Amino acid sequence: AQTVTQSQPEMSVQEAETVTLSCTYDTSESDYYLFWYKQPPSRQMILVIRQEAYKQQNATENRFSVNFQKAAKSFSLKISDSQLGDAAMYFCAYRSANSGYSTLTFGKGTMLLVSP
Amino acid sequence: DTEVTQTPKHLVMGMTNKKSLKCEQHMGHRAMYWYKQKAKKPPELMFVYSYEKLSINESVPSRFSPECPNSSLLNLHLHALQPEDSALYLCASSQDTRAGAATNEKLFFGSGTQLSVL
Repeated sequence: AQTVTQSQPEMSVQEAETVTLSCTYDTSESDYYLFWYKQPPSRQMILVIRQEAYKQQNATENRFSVNFQKAAKSFSLKISDSQLGDAAMYFCAYRSANSGYSTLTFGKGTMLLVSP
Repeated sequence: DTEVTQTPKHLVMGMTNKKSLKCEQHMGHRAMYWYKQKAKKPPELMFVYSYEKLSINESVPSRFSPECPNSSLLNLHLHALQPEDSALYLCASSQDTRAGAATNEKLFFGSGTQLSVL
């Protein structure tokens, strides 16, 4: 079974600064997908960024980028130029490429606090 | 329309009540999901429907009964719940998927129903 570990229960950052959230995972599969989801106080789960394991290039979405290290099974999220609206719980998630369904294995989450 | 709509947003029920949660999407997605999320915890998968058929049941107690009447609707019928069932119930959907046809597709979540069982 796959596991996803987020070792930082809470992180703090000031507006306009950069913060990195850590995620490691354990799997015996070679093909899979990794995601970062954001859950603000509204509790809607919002997809931030996704990475295909077979792609070496790190995914980027505007101010969000990942550092994907497949050999180390590490998938960190970097948020640049942090904004107050970035404050939320962030979940790292894994999905097997062998499954026909988008069933996700989530980490426990990292609460991101953003101060002015 | 890229929304998954869940109703009601909040629900309070007694342990003897029967209630239903509803989820609707009009994106043509053929896979729909129910997740349960306790406070400050990650979502946990409950059920997956694919082409209106129940494909995954993660050993959920029978007091939770899912139903997929058509490709756009997903219900979760609740009966004789316990206080520990209080949680946020999230519905999600994704594009056409069949076992063995995995794609890097997005999972769209609704805003959830916050359920309190008294």
